[in-house]
Amino acid sequence: NAGVTQTPKFQVLKTGQSMTLQCAQDMNHEYMSWYRQDPGMGLRLIHYSVGAGITDQGEVPNGYNVSRSTTEDFPLRLLSAAPSQTSVYFCASSSFGLPIAFFGQGTRLTVV
Amino acid sequence: RKEVEQDPGPFNVPEGATVAFNCTYSNSASQSFFWYRQDCRKEPKLLMSVYSSGNEDGRFTAQLNRASQYISLLIRDSKLSDSATYLCVVDNQGGKLIFGQGTELSVKP
Repeated sequence: NAGVTQTPKFQVLKTGQSMTLQCAQDMNHEYMSWYRQDPGMGLRLIHYSVGAGITDQGEVPNGYNVSRSTTEDFPLRLLSAAPSQTSVYFCASSSFGLPIAFFGQGTRLTVV
Repeated sequence: RKEVEQDPGPFNVPEGATVAFNCTYSNSASQSFFWYRQDCRKEPKLLMSVYSSGNEDGRFTAQLNRASQYISLLIRDSKLSDSATYLCVVDNQGGKLIFGQGTELSVKP
């Protein structure tokens, strides 16, 4: 079982560059979300989606864009990378019937 | 005020000790509650769900007090392998999970 597949695992960007973090799940989960994790801050919700075509902002959405064209995929776009976006990013999915989150392995992003 | 608050620790305990973690949440409409475990530089994984009646899974016991909006996790007979960060998680609306900042546990020989 693939579960939640998140790519890339590591990335270094220069300030101002853009990139897309990929997230795919094969469990037919309705709910998908993106978190960032910084030391001492826990996981903070960036954006989430309750189904294909529906997205909403979380706690820290600025500088990020998402779309949900299919149930399986939920990419996160950094529009113009800033050093403050240096973090570990996790994608997660869950089912409304059983709201237990399954996480991808994380992306360690450094913006220089 | 954060929606979900935990004591960040770290908790440094000897093997065999009993340790308790506490968590409070602010949204009285929260529906489901969980404890996740996160090992260093890895993704969080579900440890156990938390039910109003309290529930136990081996050495782990979780309690929920809805009136006080308080969740706890008790670990008995700590093992070295229990060293990790423990995350309190609240489901506010059908899948929107809010995480506490985590409590770090270090179990020493």
